[in-house]
This record gives sequence, C-alpha cells and structure tokens, in this order.
Amino acid sequence: GAVVSQHPSRVICKSGTSVKIECRSLDFQATTMFWYRQFPKQSLMLMATSNEGSKATYEQGVEKDKFLINHASLTLSTLTVTSAHPEDSSFYICSARVSGSGTDTQYFGPGTRLTVL
Amino acid sequence: AQSVAQPEDQVNVAEGNPLTVKCTYSVSGNPYLFWYVQYPNRGLQFLLKYITGDNLVKGSYGFEAEFNKSQTSFHLKKPSALVSDSALYFCAVRAQWPFYSGGSNYKLTFGKGTLLTVNP
Repeated sequence: GAVVSQHPSRVICKSGTSVKIECRSLDFQATTMFWYRQFPKQSLMLMATSNEGSKATYEQGVEKDKFLINHASLTLSTLTVTSAHPEDSSFYICSARVSGSGTDTQYFGPGTRLTVL
Repeated sequence: AQSVAQPEDQVNVAEGNPLTVKCTYSVSGNPYLFWYVQYPNRGLQFLLKYITGDNLVKGSYGFEAEFNKSQTSFHLKKPSALVSDSALYFCAVRAQWPFYSGGSNYKLTFGKGTLLTVNP
C-alpha cells in the first residue's frame, strides 16, 4: 500500500513553454501532498504544501505564479511550471501524507526529471 | 526551527560488514523521525520511522535505527551490508503535537543525505 505515482517521469521542453506534472496517490486518499525540488547531489528542498480544496502554501523564495499547484481531489495534485527556463531544470518529487491511527508518514513519488532547453 | 544533521557525506563499507549512517536532530518537543533511501534518478523510498515506543525501530530490507533521546540521535544500522544497499540515505524529522500547528508545519526537514557505498 501507500503508492504514489508521478507523470511524466521525464520531460524535455523548450524555454518559455509550460509543463504540468501530476502526482497521484494510488491506493489511499491524501488531504496533504508536498512538492519538492532536488538538485544533483543535494537534499530535497520543499517548494510547497498542497492541501485538497484550498490554496497551496509556498515556502519562502518559491514563486507561486511560476509554480502553480492544484490539488483538485484527494488523490491528485498537479504542479505546473509556467514559462519554463533552463534554470528550472531539476528533479521534482511529490509526496503524499498518510495520517491517523498512530501513523503519520510521507510517501514519495518516483520523481520527474525536467529539462528545459 | 527543526533541523537534521547527517555529519558524513559518504560512508564506505565492505559487503558483509555492519553499517551505520549517522543522524542527529533538533526539534521542539518529541520528534517524528524517518529514514528514506534514494536510488539514482528515483524518488525516495520509506525505510522506517520512529513515532513512540521502543527505541529500536526495525524497517525494510533489514535496516534498523535506534532513537536516543539524550543524544538526539537516530542512527541507521544494518548488521550485514549488501552491495545493493549502495544508495543515498536521508534522515528526516518533524515535531509531534502540540509543537506544530498544522498547515505547512506538517513538513519534514531533511538532512543533506549520506551516500552509502558497499564494496564487494
């Protein structure tokens, strides 16, 4: 159980275009999902917390108009990188929070490698 | 503010030897502690967690971790390393109630990661 998927796994796009990344909890409902960014050989940097039915909470320094997050259902959150630039190239990872009955754990998706040309 | 320190960027062990990956933390109140493993170009896989109870936590793939409150540590261990254990390991922490107020305070704080290499 507790499987999280991401689509696509890899995307290459031209500078100036927008890219949407989907994060799905496959066998559970997640009221809270998280979006992270990871640069090579570095730790995960939390970008935003996505709450179903409400606006995302962005971390300091993350542009909310550039990284649009929509958590439309209890099993789906999307991250749209708008007007992508080469510096947005990175590994984006989502996670979904499972809580209740003495447990509170984040389960991570496999990640999406974004390359902006 | 909560924080995690993984003092070793890299750990090298021989196959069959015991391994330890170190982690210390700082958080208000009692911690939730986690270990995750990341293979190249993949997301993080959950290994184990400590919430309450027994200080020795057993997880996936033969890994275990010991919670030491006085030393604020949560070191990851395995009695006999395998070459396939070679990967990047992350320790993470967040506060338990009542030291968080919901919203983005559910977030985990990660260490910088330790690259484990198990040599044949």
